[in-house]
Amino acid sequence: AQSVTQLDSQVPVFEEAPVELRCNYSSSVSVYLFWYVQYPNQGLQLLLKYLSGSTLVKGINGFEAEFNKSQTSFHLRKPSVHISDTAEYFCAVSEYGGSQGNLIFGKGTKLSVKP
Amino acid sequence: NAGVTQTPKFQVLKTGQSMTLQCAQDMNHEYMSWYRQDPGMGLRLIHYSVGAGITDQGEVPNGYNVSRSTTEDFPLRLLSAAPSQTSVYFCASLPDAGTGPVGTQYFGPGTRLLVL
Repeated sequence: AQSVTQLDSQVPVFEEAPVELRCNYSSSVSVYLFWYVQYPNQGLQLLLKYLSGSTLVKGINGFEAEFNKSQTSFHLRKPSVHISDTAEYFCAVSEYGGSQGNLIFGKGTKLSVKP
Repeated sequence: NAGVTQTPKFQVLKTGQSMTLQCAQDMNHEYMSWYRQDPGMGLRLIHYSVGAGITDQGEVPNGYNVSRSTTEDFPLRLLSAAPSQTSVYFCASLPDAGTGPVGTQYFGPGTRLLVL
């Protein structure tokens, strides 16, 4: 069975500072990896995904993530955050070769960007 | 395209009442699913469907029923609501339910359910 751990439940940061949201996963099989963002009172929007190939993945809104197989991590980064990045971020995995739509989510990290 | 739509946006139920949460997509997606989101718990898969007439259980199926009679619709039924089912429910869809390259999964705006 897979599991996803998001190491920080809340991350406060000042505007224009860099940020890293940490995600570790556990699985006995290969997985696909995702980051989703949820703005207040909205549904989830895909930020980026790792399927295969280059371990550095670039997504929307200036975010990127790096897959590290040996450390089973998929940390999300942005070099300079904006107030509008305030949201909750979810890391998720799905099993390679299984039903690709079935996502296992982490518990989420609330990013709060302060002026 | 309207994408993934959910109705109602908000609902209050009494314990023991039944209701159906509606989900529809107009993108001809094969795969549809239901998740519930609880504070500090992330999202957990309730049921999913890989095509019309095919459904299966996810991580937390107890207390919920689903059916998929058409490609477009995937309703979620609560037969006898309990306070533990107070949550935000999200429907999602994906173009291809197979094991090929992963498409982009689209989420609806959610239904907030309060069971008293």
